[in-house]
Amino acid sequence: AQSVTQPDIHITVSEGASLELRCNYSYGATPYLFWYVQSPGQGLQLLLKYFSGDTLVQGIKGFEAEFKRSQSSFNLRKPSVHWSDAAEYFCAVGATPGSARQLTFGSGTQLTVLP
Amino acid sequence: DSGVTQTPKHLITATGQRVTLRCSPRSGDLSVYWYQQSLDQGLQFLIQYYNGEERAKGNILERFSAQQFPDLHSELNLSSLELGDSALYFCASSANDRDPNYGYTFGSGTRLTVV
Repeated sequence: AQSVTQPDIHITVSEGASLELRCNYSYGATPYLFWYVQSPGQGLQLLLKYFSGDTLVQGIKGFEAEFKRSQSSFNLRKPSVHWSDAAEYFCAVGATPGSARQLTFGSGTQLTVLP
Repeated sequence: DSGVTQTPKHLITATGQRVTLRCSPRSGDLSVYWYQQSLDQGLQFLIQYYNGEERAKGNILERFSAQQFPDLHSELNLSSLELGDSALYFCASSANDRDPNYGYTFGSGTRLTVV
């Protein structure tokens, strides 16, 4: 069964600083990988996804993520963080097409942005 | 507004009671997924329906059940409620369950508090 590990429960960065959120996955085949963001009281919004092809994927709000098969990682990055990026971030892995599409989520990383 | 509508937004009920959570998927989406988000378990997949039929089951308790109606809205029924059922319940929808351009849209959730 697939699993996702987000090793950092809480990260604090200053506004304008760069950000990297870590995600490691365990999956037998080529994974479908996702990053979601959840603001307080809100649902989850998809930031970006990786299926195949270019291992560096661009998402919304200036985020990008890099798929590294050798490291089983899919880390999320942003070059300059804005105060509005404060939220909880979830990495998820999905089943391949042809099977049920439930996602397995990591435990999340809470991001605090200092002024 | 994501297009996925969940009602009610908040629900407070007593132990032993039964509640029904409702989800209207995004227009055109045939597949509905239910997730539970709690502090100790994180985001857990409960169940998926596709065009009225159950497609996959995750960590759903026997006290919980769901269905999807001909108009594609879905209901999650939680019975014999316990304090530990207090959580945020999310619904998500997608166009189908074999779309290679995979991705869900989440609703904003129903916060259930069992007292």
